[in-house]
Amino acid sequence: DSGVTQTPKHLITATGQRVTLRCSPRSGDLSVYWYQQSLDQGLQFLIQYYNGEERAKGNILERFSAQQFPDLHSELNLSSLELGDSALYFCASSVSGRPPYEQYFGPGTRLTVT
Amino acid sequence: GESVGLHLPTLSVQEGDNSIINCAYSNSASDYFIWYKQESGKGPQFIIDIRSNMDKRQGQRVTVLLNKTVKHLSLQIAATQPGDSAVYFCAEIYSGGGADGLTFGKGTHLIIQP
Repeated sequence: DSGVTQTPKHLITATGQRVTLRCSPRSGDLSVYWYQQSLDQGLQFLIQYYNGEERAKGNILERFSAQQFPDLHSELNLSSLELGDSALYFCASSVSGRPPYEQYFGPGTRLTVT
Repeated sequence: GESVGLHLPTLSVQEGDNSIINCAYSNSASDYFIWYKQESGKGPQFIIDIRSNMDKRQGQRVTVLLNKTVKHLSLQIAATQPGDSAVYFCAEIYSGGGADGLTFGKGTHLIIQP
């Protein structure tokens, strides 16, 4: 158990809909990262937050957004969903986001868009 | 674009033998490399890391080797056990790039034969 929790574990929704994925980082970790894992693209970095502020953006679509709240939990919002958004979404956390870069991953949310 | 890749998608080894998983990276500016293990249905789990100013780093039953001349990274697992069955990813990061998200390779599936 990494100490990172994600809800829900599974999510099935239809194209065009909007969903919210939730992540609680490990106690004491200030930095939260979101990753998408799909068969064709592998593990891709989406976005990072540090202590409530956006720190870095990766390959995140404009239809996706995220935020980190004062209690440090984070939410990833996916809107206007397409079939290609079906994937595993992982949240990871680390103490500071600076070296060493040991990131602890949650169990993931499996999103299926039908 | 630059990316981290793996030489083999699947590696099959006998239980008790040593395993060597390879990774090629293309971003010569990357200065930090990490190996992750992902078991079925779980999120990636940190194994070991190495900075670009090192050639070798050892952990418990694992050794990471870095050859910057040919941009090659390898993970050696000694006395492979059934519990080592998983997909192994190498990841890289350039600490001066402003983004703390990891760039992952596509993974090698390690299969342990009894």
